Amino acid sequence: ETGVTQSPTHLIKTRGQQVTLRCSSQSGHNTVSWYQQALGQGPQFIFQYYREEENGRGNFPPRFSGLQFPNYSSELNVNALELDDSALYLCASSLGGLAVYNEQFFGPGTRLTVL
Amino acid sequence: AQTVTQSQPEMSVQEAETVTLSCTYDTSENNYYLFWYKQPPSRQMILVIRQEAYKQQNATENRFSVNFQKAAKSFSLKISDSQLGDTAMYFCAFMETGNQFYFGTGTSLTVIP
Repeated sequence: ETGVTQSPTHLIKTRGQQVTLRCSSQSGHNTVSWYQQALGQGPQFIFQYYREEENGRGNFPPRFSGLQFPNYSSELNVNALELDDSALYLCASSLGGLAVYNEQFFGPGTRLTVL
Repeated sequence: AQTVTQSQPEMSVQEAETVTLSCTYDTSENNYYLFWYKQPPSRQMILVIRQEAYKQQNATENRFSVNFQKAAKSFSLKISDSQLGDTAMYFCAFMETGNQFYFGTGTSLTVIP
């Protein structure tokens, strides 16, 4: 059983560019959540995907978008990058259902730097 | 809106001693879950302990235990017999149904040899 993996590990972009981050969920998990963790802060919920559908969204603008694929891996896309988008982006997978708690397993994160 | 507050940005403890990390939260819900996560310098977030709000008994996991005070909306973590490997950022987190987590700002714990 493999854990949650994320790619790339580090990424440097310039303001205005677009970026795609990837997450492979743990085997058997059908739910992926994305979080933004700014330096010195706790993770902030961006959105969650359950069986390829968005299932909840935090207070992030529409330029943050996502996808979940039939194999339950996921992408986070950020358009028109801003300096404040510099952060560690975490994904977490779980065996989800709506209104049911299931433990989330976190990946190691992608460190995005916007110059 | 749900909020999670950790008022101790940094703490330190001598090896083998006991330390308590504080957390308060705000919610109007009656059913929810509370968590403590550990994030070592390698970054990967690890679940330390979980508490269901409907359970009155405090959760324990080996050297880790919580003091859950529902009326006061308080959820502290006690680490007994602290070990060097306990050095990490500790995040308190809150979840209602639906798996959306709300995290606090974290407490950086250093275990001193």
